[in-house]
Amino acid sequence: DAKTTQPNSMESNEEEPVHLPCNHSTISGTDYIHWYRQLPSQGPEYVIHGLTSNVNNRMASLAIAEDRKSSTLILHRATLRDAAVYYCILRALPTGANSKLTFGKGITLSVRP
Amino acid sequence: EPEVTQTPSHQVTQMGQEVILRCVPISNHLYFYWYRQILGQKVEFLVSFYNNEISEKSEIFDDQFSVERPDGSNFTLKIRSTKLEDSAMYFCASSVGQVLQETQYFGPGTRLLVL
Repeated sequence: DAKTTQPNSMESNEEEPVHLPCNHSTISGTDYIHWYRQLPSQGPEYVIHGLTSNVNNRMASLAIAEDRKSSTLILHRATLRDAAVYYCILRALPTGANSKLTFGKGITLSVRP
Repeated sequence: EPEVTQTPSHQVTQMGQEVILRCVPISNHLYFYWYRQILGQKVEFLVSFYNNEISEKSEIFDDQFSVERPDGSNFTLKIRSTKLEDSAMYFCASSVGQVLQETQYFGPGTRLLVL
């Protein structure tokens, strides 16, 4: 699977936008970009995914660079509840039955009141 | 909203004992997974399961581990003879299908402590 690189941590103020970057310079044309997050003491939770175009859902927006070598998860108004570890994960075209998620260390987002 | 549930939330066991961790996936989901997370470390894939068979397993999932779907709703992970290093948070997940876009839904986890 192609590798992703994320900063270790980021701080934000409550009610301000947050941009969480992810680099994936070795991404292949069929890799989807997924974001999951893990709130303290909870299981991972799906946030958003995309392939080439920017995506929006009720939780966040995903901005994908034109060359697809990087992406940014955007939380439009951070809340205290958004404090979590955010994982950027590439999902490669399955060979056989390979559909696992490969988690990295993620980026730890802290939100200041 | 449907959710994945796991029991127990916490389990303490002695080294060498067998443990069974239980999961109830979302009802219309077909693919099931176990992951684990040792304290302070990454979430690691253990095994995926579909159509009553293991689809894929990681190097961690050795002969001490087994999975089963004993009925139409439960999905279990058994560790035959626990070791200290099995202490971790174990997460069950399920998904409807296997295509790239498919979301995996995770349960809240079982915290296993082996003494």
